[in-house]
Amino acid sequence: GEDVEQSLFLSVREGDSSVINCTYTDSSSTYLYWYKQEPGAGLQLLTYIFSNMDMKQDQRLTVLLNKKDKHLSLRIADTQTGDSAIYFCAEREINDMRFGAGTRLTVKP
Amino acid sequence: DAMVIQNPRYQVTQFGKPVTLSCSQTLNHNVMYWYQQKSSQAPKLLFHYYDKDFNNEADTPDNFQSRRPNTSFCFLDIRSPGLGDAAMYLCATSREKGAGNQPQHFGDGTRLSIL
Repeated sequence: GEDVEQSLFLSVREGDSSVINCTYTDSSSTYLYWYKQEPGAGLQLLTYIFSNMDMKQDQRLTVLLNKKDKHLSLRIADTQTGDSAIYFCAEREINDMRFGAGTRLTVKP
Repeated sequence: DAMVIQNPRYQVTQFGKPVTLSCSQTLNHNVMYWYQQKSSQAPKLLFHYYDKDFNNEADTPDNFQSRRPNTSFCFLDIRSPGLGDAAMYLCATSREKGAGNQPQHFGDGTRLSIL
């Protein structure tokens, strides 16, 4: 099974905040990424965080990193129906990138 | 815009009939990857090229091969597709390997169906 773990489903109402959580196991990972996958499409890079940071904000997206607990989260403010997709977290290793199974976010009007 | 392009978007082939999926990139990245993604699963790395250096994952079936004739193009060949090979195939690139911020940039994928 994957070493990067995510809950599989999240449902929120339009306008609410969404928080997608991820845990990883490799403490040597230097960069952690969030990708978005819409139906029938590839993975779109949303944002990333370097392991010496604990927070990064990019418009509606906020990434929080708790390196001690190996916990990563993605907060989407003012969630819109267009945010409905599968979100993957990924940890960067020396020669590889390891993905979680993805969290399917459903946004209800 | 610089991008990763996969053709075709949808491919149907018959059981056992060889099929080739293609990927091209205008990013001039050194590394190109092929992933297999089945429904509700994480992408699974099949292999990657670092320049002309081919790197196969240990659990990639022999049925899957790849070619990279130049920097821009990379092909995935499935010699004798079985029903279990029906999946989305994703191509990705990164500028370099190794340490540092090297995100992977993905194409839109080719969805392969086996009849």
